[in-house]
Amino acid sequence: DADVTQTPRNRITKTGKRIMLECSQTKGHDRMYWYRQDPGLGLRLIYYSFDVKDINKGEISDGYSVSRQAQAKFSLSLESAIPNQTALYFCATSGGGAWGDTQYFGPGTRLTVL
Amino acid sequence: GDSVTQMEGPVTLSEEAFLTINCTYTATGYPSLFWYVQYPGEGLQLLLKATKADDKGSNKGFEATYRKETTSFHLEKGSVQVSDSAVYFCALRDQGGSEKLVFGKGTKLTVNP
Repeated sequence: DADVTQTPRNRITKTGKRIMLECSQTKGHDRMYWYRQDPGLGLRLIYYSFDVKDINKGEISDGYSVSRQAQAKFSLSLESAIPNQTALYFCATSGGGAWGDTQYFGPGTRLTVL
Repeated sequence: GDSVTQMEGPVTLSEEAFLTINCTYTATGYPSLFWYVQYPGEGLQLLLKATKADDKGSNKGFEATYRKETTSFHLEKGSVQVSDSAVYFCALRDQGGSEKLVFGKGTKLTVNP
């Protein structure tokens, strides 16, 4: 089984709808991240969390919110989806600090907002 | 802020050709450097990394050396295969509070038989 899973893998929604993307990990990592990938722009950080009680905004957090339900689960919500939020969304985890700086990515969720 | 610049693609090579994808960075201090690979329809996988100056990361025939003097981390492979076709991302680990990865824009590689 994959260490980092994301659901759904694909989602088509309409402008104004609220949607949630979910991420689960079995790596036992404390640090979790949500990135967005747009063609030709690389990946950009939306939110990150270092533990259940720690949530921080990234560089493009407007229009998004997150919930860290448990160490292993980190969800991303779009409160009112708009077309320019159409993108590929990745969750990542890391042991962080002295325990490693490598981030491990999920397979991604392709979101289309009509 | 920190940034990563990598050569723009797409890059098209024939099988067994030599590959170089250039990557330079701007950062305060000496961040860890990474190459990630994204195969079609998949997420990002770590290809290799280096954590300090002059370190060489290597994996699956790919290599990259952390060059502090030129702030570079170029990816090389001596003989590419069709299965290497993918998008390659250079990244650095931010040394601020988030420890986020700062990515280049990606380079798409196509290897033809």
